Amino acid sequence: AQSVSQHNHHVILSEAASLELGCNYSYGGTVNLFWYVQYPGQHLQLLLKYFSGDPLVKGIKGFEAEFIKSKFSFNLRKPSVQWSDTAEYFCAVIEFSGGYNKLIFGAGTRLAVHP
Amino acid sequence: SAVISQKPSRDICQRGTSLTIQCQVDSQVTMMFWYRQQPGQSLTLIATANQGSEATYESGFVIDKFPISRPNLTFSTLTVSNMSPEDSSIYLCSVVVGAPHNEQFFGPGTRLTVL
Repeated sequence: AQSVSQHNHHVILSEAASLELGCNYSYGGTVNLFWYVQYPGQHLQLLLKYFSGDPLVKGIKGFEAEFIKSKFSFNLRKPSVQWSDTAEYFCAVIEFSGGYNKLIFGAGTRLAVHP
Repeated sequence: SAVISQKPSRDICQRGTSLTIQCQVDSQVTMMFWYRQQPGQSLTLIATANQGSEATYESGFVIDKFPISRPNLTFSTLTVSNMSPEDSSIYLCSVVVGAPHNEQFFGPGTRLTVL
């Protein structure tokens, strides 16, 4: 079965610092990859996704992620974080299973950005 | 996109009782998912519910404990039966919009505390 590893459980940054959150999935073949964000008290929402094509994917709010097939990775990056980026970030991958697809989540990374 | 509402938003229940959580979507969807997010942890898929068929449960989850109904394409319920404090969690309803698995939307969650 597919699994997702997020290496950093808690990250603390100052505003304007650069961000990179690690994400690795367990096996190859065709993969559909996602990053979701959950702001305090809000719903999960999609930041970006990769299905195919350009491995560098740009999402909302200045986030981007790079799919590196040889490393089974899909790291999330942002060159300069803001206080409003304080949230929990989840990497997810589709597991293709029988007649339907399942979204498998990593453990999440809690980001705190200090002014 | 899809707008998902859940009822109740939160509840505090006694051990041994059952709670039914409702999920309403503003559009017709084939697949609905129920997730659990335990305190400080990631999202774990409980089951996938298709209209007109039995729900498919993930390893570690059984129908007797988490019965699911899916009477139509916009509505589903999840019951947490014979609750114990270990069932304290946030329960989220989710739907997929677009094919194949273009984007998955999440409800606001139901925060359950079992005493």
